[in-house]
Amino acid sequence: AQSVSQHNHHVILSEAASLELGCNYSYGGTVNLFWYVQYPGQHLQLLLKYFSGDPLVKGIKGFEAEFIKSKFSFNLRKPSVQWSDTAEYFCAVNARGTNAGKSTFGDGTTLTVKP
Amino acid sequence: GAVVSQHPSRVICKSGTSVKIECRSLDFQATTMFWYRQFPKKSLMLMATSNEGSKATYEQGVEKDKFLINHASLTLSTLTVTSAHPEDSSFYICSASRRQNTEAFFGQGTRLTVV
Repeated sequence: AQSVSQHNHHVILSEAASLELGCNYSYGGTVNLFWYVQYPGQHLQLLLKYFSGDPLVKGIKGFEAEFIKSKFSFNLRKPSVQWSDTAEYFCAVNARGTNAGKSTFGDGTTLTVKP
Repeated sequence: GAVVSQHPSRVICKSGTSVKIECRSLDFQATTMFWYRQFPKKSLMLMATSNEGSKATYEQGVEKDKFLINHASLTLSTLTVTSAHPEDSSFYICSASRRQNTEAFFGQGTRLTVV
Protein backbone atom coordinates (compact mmCIF):
# COMPACT_ATOMS: atom_id res chain seq x y z
CA ALA A 1 0.00 0.00 0.00
CA GLN A 2 1.07 3.54 -0.64
CA SER A 3 1.48 6.21 1.98
CA VAL A 4 2.42 9.85 1.86
CA SER A 5 3.95 11.86 4.65
CA GLN A 6 3.98 15.63 4.76
CA HIS A 7 6.23 16.74 7.55
CA ASN A 8 5.07 20.30 7.97
CA HIS A 9 1.57 20.61 9.33
CA HIS A 10 1.45 24.39 9.43
CA VAL A 11 3.98 26.77 7.97
CA ILE A 12 3.91 30.50 8.58
CA LEU A 13 6.07 32.76 6.42
CA SER A 14 6.42 36.40 5.63
CA GLU A 15 6.03 37.61 2.08
CA ALA A 16 9.15 37.16 -0.05
CA ALA A 17 10.42 34.33 2.11
CA SER A 18 11.43 31.09 0.45
CA LEU A 19 9.27 28.02 0.83
CA GLU A 20 10.02 24.34 0.99
CA LEU A 21 7.36 21.81 1.92
CA GLY A 22 8.45 18.26 2.54
CA CYS A 23 6.81 15.20 1.05
CA ASN A 24 7.94 11.61 1.37
CA TYR A 25 6.14 8.60 0.05
CA SER A 26 6.25 4.92 0.63
CA TYR A 27 5.70 2.56 -2.26
CA GLY A 28 7.70 -0.25 -3.73
CA GLY A 29 7.01 0.41 -7.39
CA THR A 30 7.11 3.23 -9.88
CA VAL A 31 4.98 6.20 -9.00
CA ASN A 32 3.47 9.37 -10.31
CA LEU A 33 3.69 12.33 -7.96
CA PHE A 34 1.51 15.39 -7.60
CA TRP A 35 1.20 18.56 -5.62
CA TYR A 36 -2.23 20.11 -5.28
CA VAL A 37 -3.28 23.41 -3.76
CA GLN A 38 -6.60 24.22 -2.15
CA TYR A 39 -7.27 27.90 -1.63
CA PRO A 40 -9.79 28.80 1.08
CA GLY A 41 -13.26 27.87 -0.07
CA GLN A 42 -12.08 26.56 -3.41
CA HIS A 43 -11.51 23.16 -4.98
CA LEU A 44 -8.28 21.31 -5.39
CA GLN A 45 -6.06 22.52 -8.20
CA LEU A 46 -3.02 20.84 -9.65
CA LEU A 47 0.23 22.72 -9.04
CA LEU A 48 2.56 20.31 -10.73
CA LYS A 49 3.11 16.66 -11.49
CA TYR A 50 5.92 14.24 -12.11
CA PHE A 51 5.54 11.17 -14.28
CA SER A 52 9.03 10.65 -15.67
CA GLY A 53 12.01 12.49 -17.13
CA ASP A 54 13.60 15.55 -15.57
CA PRO A 55 13.22 15.16 -11.80
CA LEU A 56 12.96 18.92 -11.38
CA VAL A 57 9.42 19.82 -12.26
CA LYS A 58 8.14 23.33 -12.72
CA GLY A 59 4.51 24.11 -12.11
CA ILE A 60 2.17 27.03 -12.08
CA LYS A 61 2.57 30.21 -10.05
CA GLY A 62 6.31 29.83 -9.68
CA PHE A 63 6.25 26.53 -7.82
CA GLU A 64 8.65 23.71 -8.49
CA ALA A 65 9.33 20.31 -7.01
CA GLU A 66 12.22 17.91 -7.15
CA PHE A 67 11.82 14.16 -7.24
CA ILE A 68 14.66 12.43 -5.43
CA LYS A 69 14.13 8.75 -5.99
CA SER A 70 16.75 7.61 -3.49
CA LYS A 71 15.03 9.57 -0.76
CA PHE A 72 11.46 8.83 -1.87
CA SER A 73 10.89 12.54 -1.69
CA PHE A 74 9.07 15.14 -3.75
CA ASN A 75 9.52 18.45 -1.97
CA LEU A 76 7.73 21.56 -3.12
CA ARG A 77 9.61 24.84 -3.38
CA LYS A 78 9.01 28.46 -4.20
CA PRO A 79 11.77 31.06 -3.97
CA SER A 80 9.55 33.95 -2.89
CA VAL A 81 6.05 33.47 -1.54
CA GLN A 82 3.20 35.93 -1.79
CA TRP A 83 0.24 36.58 0.48
CA SER A 84 -1.95 34.96 -2.18
CA ASP A 85 -0.11 31.66 -1.69
CA THR A 86 -1.92 31.20 1.60
CA ALA A 87 -3.64 27.86 1.14
CA GLU A 88 -3.60 24.16 1.93
CA TYR A 89 -1.05 22.11 0.00
CA PHE A 90 -1.36 18.40 -0.61
CA CYS A 91 1.20 15.96 -1.89
CA ALA A 92 -0.24 12.90 -3.62
CA VAL A 93 1.05 9.74 -5.20
CA ASN A 94 -0.32 6.97 -7.33
CA ALA A 95 1.14 3.90 -8.89
CA ARG A 96 2.36 4.25 -12.45
CA GLY A 97 -0.36 3.07 -14.75
CA THR A 98 -3.10 3.98 -12.31
CA ASN A 99 -5.78 6.46 -13.21
CA ALA A 100 -4.57 9.87 -12.07
CA GLY A 101 -7.89 10.47 -10.40
CA LYS A 102 -7.05 7.82 -7.84
CA SER A 103 -4.35 8.94 -5.49
CA THR A 104 -3.10 8.63 -1.96
CA PHE A 105 -2.84 12.01 -0.31
CA GLY A 106 -0.69 13.34 2.45
CA ASP A 107 -2.32 15.05 5.40
CA GLY A 108 -1.71 18.45 3.90
CA THR A 109 0.29 21.50 4.93
CA THR A 110 -1.38 24.76 5.78
CA LEU A 111 0.65 27.66 4.51
CA THR A 112 -0.01 31.10 5.95
CA VAL A 113 1.82 33.99 4.36
CA LYS A 114 1.83 37.19 6.35
CA PRO A 115 1.78 40.41 4.35
CA GLY B 1 -8.12 22.11 -18.59
CA ALA B 2 -11.10 19.85 -18.16
CA VAL B 3 -13.91 20.70 -15.81
CA VAL B 4 -15.52 18.52 -13.20
CA SER B 5 -18.60 19.91 -11.57
CA GLN B 6 -20.29 18.80 -8.39
CA HIS B 7 -23.80 19.59 -7.32
CA PRO B 8 -24.89 20.74 -4.85
CA SER B 9 -21.97 22.64 -3.34
CA ARG B 10 -23.66 22.70 0.06
CA VAL B 11 -26.50 20.68 1.50
CA ILE B 12 -28.08 20.46 4.89
CA CYS B 13 -30.31 17.53 5.64
CA LYS B 14 -32.09 16.03 8.58
CA SER B 15 -30.80 12.93 10.27
CA GLY B 16 -32.28 9.81 8.73
CA THR B 17 -32.82 11.23 5.26
CA SER B 18 -30.82 10.50 2.12
CA VAL B 19 -28.80 12.94 0.08
CA LYS B 20 -27.60 12.61 -3.51
CA ILE B 21 -24.48 14.34 -4.77
CA GLU B 22 -23.74 14.57 -8.47
CA CYS B 23 -20.37 14.65 -10.15
CA ARG B 24 -20.21 15.58 -13.82
CA SER B 25 -17.33 15.79 -16.25
CA LEU B 26 -18.44 18.70 -18.37
CA ASP B 27 -16.16 18.49 -21.38
CA PHE B 28 -14.70 15.02 -21.41
CA GLN B 29 -15.75 11.44 -20.93
CA ALA B 30 -14.68 9.79 -17.74
CA THR B 31 -15.08 6.06 -17.62
CA THR B 32 -13.82 6.15 -14.07
CA MET B 33 -14.49 8.66 -11.34
CA PHE B 34 -13.40 8.67 -7.74
CA TRP B 35 -15.09 9.79 -4.56
CA TYR B 36 -13.15 11.22 -1.66
CA ARG B 37 -14.09 12.40 1.78
CA GLN B 38 -12.23 15.23 3.46
CA PHE B 39 -12.49 15.79 7.18
CA PRO B 40 -11.70 19.21 8.67
CA LYS B 41 -7.97 19.84 8.75
CA LYS B 42 -7.41 16.38 7.30
CA SER B 43 -6.41 14.87 4.05
CA LEU B 44 -8.61 13.42 1.36
CA MET B 45 -9.59 9.84 1.97
CA LEU B 46 -10.50 7.76 -1.04
CA MET B 47 -13.91 6.20 -0.53
CA ALA B 48 -14.61 4.40 -3.77
CA THR B 49 -13.91 4.06 -7.44
CA SER B 50 -16.89 4.60 -9.68
CA ASN B 51 -16.91 2.66 -12.94
CA GLU B 52 -19.29 3.50 -15.74
CA GLY B 53 -21.78 0.74 -16.23
CA SER B 54 -20.58 -1.45 -13.40
CA LYS B 55 -20.51 -1.63 -9.65
CA ALA B 56 -18.34 0.71 -7.69
CA THR B 57 -15.27 -0.53 -5.90
CA TYR B 58 -15.16 0.55 -2.27
CA GLU B 59 -12.11 1.08 -0.10
CA GLN B 60 -11.75 -0.90 3.06
CA GLY B 61 -13.89 0.41 5.86
CA VAL B 62 -16.35 2.27 3.64
CA GLU B 63 -19.93 1.07 4.01
CA LYS B 64 -21.35 0.16 0.62
CA ASP B 65 -24.93 0.34 1.81
CA LYS B 66 -24.49 3.78 3.31
CA PHE B 67 -22.64 5.34 0.41
CA LEU B 68 -24.37 4.28 -2.78
CA ILE B 69 -22.51 5.07 -5.96
CA ASN B 70 -23.97 4.99 -9.43
CA HIS B 71 -22.12 5.75 -12.64
CA ALA B 72 -24.87 5.78 -15.21
CA SER B 73 -23.05 7.52 -18.03
CA LEU B 74 -19.58 8.54 -19.14
CA THR B 75 -20.08 12.00 -17.69
CA LEU B 76 -22.07 11.43 -14.53
CA SER B 77 -21.46 9.68 -11.24
CA THR B 78 -23.64 10.05 -8.18
CA LEU B 79 -23.00 9.46 -4.51
CA THR B 80 -26.03 8.92 -2.30
CA VAL B 81 -25.57 9.09 1.43
CA THR B 82 -28.39 6.97 2.78
CA SER B 83 -29.97 7.42 6.19
CA ALA B 84 -27.54 10.19 6.93
CA HIS B 85 -26.36 10.84 10.47
CA PRO B 86 -24.40 13.74 11.94
CA GLU B 87 -21.17 11.75 11.72
CA ASP B 88 -21.61 11.68 7.95
CA SER B 89 -21.20 15.43 7.89
CA SER B 90 -18.13 16.11 5.81
CA PHE B 91 -16.74 17.50 2.60
CA TYR B 92 -17.16 15.09 -0.31
CA ILE B 93 -15.04 15.50 -3.44
CA CYS B 94 -15.04 13.66 -6.74
CA SER B 95 -12.28 13.42 -9.30
CA ALA B 96 -11.99 12.20 -12.84
CA SER B 97 -9.32 11.71 -15.44
CA ARG B 98 -9.49 11.32 -19.17
CA ARG B 99 -7.19 8.34 -19.17
CA GLN B 100 -4.37 6.81 -17.19
CA ASN B 101 -1.24 8.73 -16.38
CA THR B 102 -2.76 12.11 -16.95
CA GLU B 103 -3.90 14.98 -14.84
CA ALA B 104 -6.85 14.46 -12.54
CA PHE B 105 -9.55 17.06 -12.26
CA PHE B 106 -11.41 17.60 -9.06
CA GLY B 107 -14.88 18.84 -8.45
CA GLN B 108 -15.39 21.80 -6.18
CA GLY B 109 -16.67 19.53 -3.44
CA THR B 110 -19.93 19.24 -1.57
CA ARG B 111 -20.27 20.28 2.04
CA LEU B 112 -22.77 17.96 3.70
CA THR B 113 -24.17 18.89 7.08
CA VAL B 114 -26.53 16.48 8.80
CA VAL B 115 -28.58 17.97 11.60
